[in-house]
Amino acid sequence: EVQLLDSGGDLVQPGGSLRLSCTASGFTFSNYGMTWVRLAPGKGLEWVSTISGDGGSTYYADSVKGRFAISRDNSKNTLYLQMNSLRAEDTAVYYCAKGPVSFDYWGQGTLVTVSS
Amino acid sequence: EIVLTQSPGTLSLSPGERATLSCRASQSVSSSSLAWYQQKPGQAPRLLIYGVSSRATGIPDRFSGSGSGTDFTLTISRLEPEDFAVYFCQQYGNSPRYSFGQGTKLEIK
Repeated sequence: EVQLLDSGGDLVQPGGSLRLSCTASGFTFSNYGMTWVRLAPGKGLEWVSTISGDGGSTYYADSVKGRFAISRDNSKNTLYLQMNSLRAEDTAVYYCAKGPVSFDYWGQGTLVTVSS
Repeated sequence: EIVLTQSPGTLSLSPGERATLSCRASQSVSSSSLAWYQQKPGQAPRLLIYGVSSRATGIPDRFSGSGSGTDFTLTISRLEPEDFAVYFCQQYGNSPRYSFGQGTKLEIK
C-alpha cells in the first residue's frame, strides 16, 4: 500500500526557516518525481515545487523561487522542502504528492503558519 | 503561463442530480495532461480523472471527464451524498510546470 507521511509543519515568525519532510512507502521511491502542493486558508491548491526521481531536476513556482529548496534522499525514501525567508502568505497546509503528470497519492498534509 | 479557470465557483444541486463542472485553459493543454481532483475539508485531495478522461483506481463510473484543447468538463452523472466537496482541475506543462484551477464547490441544495 502506498503511503506518504508529511511532517515538519510548525508556527514560525516571518523571515524564519522550516524544513518539511515526506516519508514514502509502498512503491519504488526513486522511480517517481515528487511534488509539494499547498492549500492556503480560503484559497485553492497551489503547486509549489517538483523534483525528478533521481533528484537531478527541480522546478519551482515563481512565488517560492529563490526561497524554497526541494530535495530527496532516495536511500531513506524521503522528500524534503527547505523553506527560508518565510512570509505570511506562505501560511498553508503543505502536501507531498507522487506522480510525474497527475498526482495519484498524497500525504495527509502538514500545517505551516507564518506569524509573529 | 497557462491559467485554468473553473466555473461555476459554487454549484448547488440535490442528490440524484447531474453535475457538470467546467475548466477552461488560457492556452491549449495536452490531452494527456489534464486531471481532476476532489477535496473534502481536512482531507488531502483525491485523484478522480487523469489524461482528461481516464478514471483513477477505485473511482466510481458516475464520474467522467471530457474535453480537448482549452475546454474540459467533469461530469458526475447522479450525485451521491459523499460527492459534495470541492473539485479542482490541474494541468501539467512547461510554464508553469503545473497549475490548478481555483476550484468549484459542489454543495447540497
